[in-house]
Amino acid sequence: GIQVEQSPPDLILQEGANSTLRCNFSDSVNNLQWFHQNPWGQLINLFYIPSGTKQNGRLSATTVATERYSLLYISSSQTTDSGVYFCAVVLSNFGNEKLTFGTGTRLTIIP
Amino acid sequence: GAVVSQHPSWVICKSGTSVKIECRSLDFQATTMFWYRQFPKQSLMLMATSNEGSKATYEQGVEKDKFLINHASLTLSTLTVTSAHPEDSSFYICSARVPLLAGVYNEQFFGPGTRLTVL
Repeated sequence: GIQVEQSPPDLILQEGANSTLRCNFSDSVNNLQWFHQNPWGQLINLFYIPSGTKQNGRLSATTVATERYSLLYISSSQTTDSGVYFCAVVLSNFGNEKLTFGTGTRLTIIP
Repeated sequence: GAVVSQHPSWVICKSGTSVKIECRSLDFQATTMFWYRQFPKQSLMLMATSNEGSKATYEQGVEKDKFLINHASLTLSTLTVTSAHPEDSSFYICSARVPLLAGVYNEQFFGPGTRLTVL
């Protein structure tokens, strides 16, 4: 099956710092989503980004499907950004709707 | 975005009992819902795809007789863990897909999860 690897696995930053999280996938995908899992376990949708670049406030994401990677940028980090960030992909088979999750990046923002 | 709820948010039960978890799409109709399991400090693993009005599709290695899924309406799917044992203790999360439009994949939105502890 498809492999989805995220890096780095852990990241500790001072409040106000910027960060880049990476998601590599091993096969062609139809779509890609980024999520933030907060400390209570809730998955929050950040981006639905099969290709191109999107921005939402301090967060932005870029997916280069032909090169099989996506990047999530977080600027001016706040303590509320702490948690685990997952990317998840859908394989390029029509009718296949299953999300395969990446390994995750655990982000800790220190005040 | 679309809102998905789960109930209960946590449950503790004795070994051998059955536990039912509900997943509801609150502001849209979901013909397809998904059930995931997440162990501590691990990623989410898909257990099964729940289709309204038909049988669920289980992932390899997931026992369909142990994890019963019923998707009786366009807004409700239930997961029943039958004869639960301590190894079934985990965080169970459901998601719902905004209805498919013209063959285009749409986003999945996730419930808040249910933490199951089996003693």
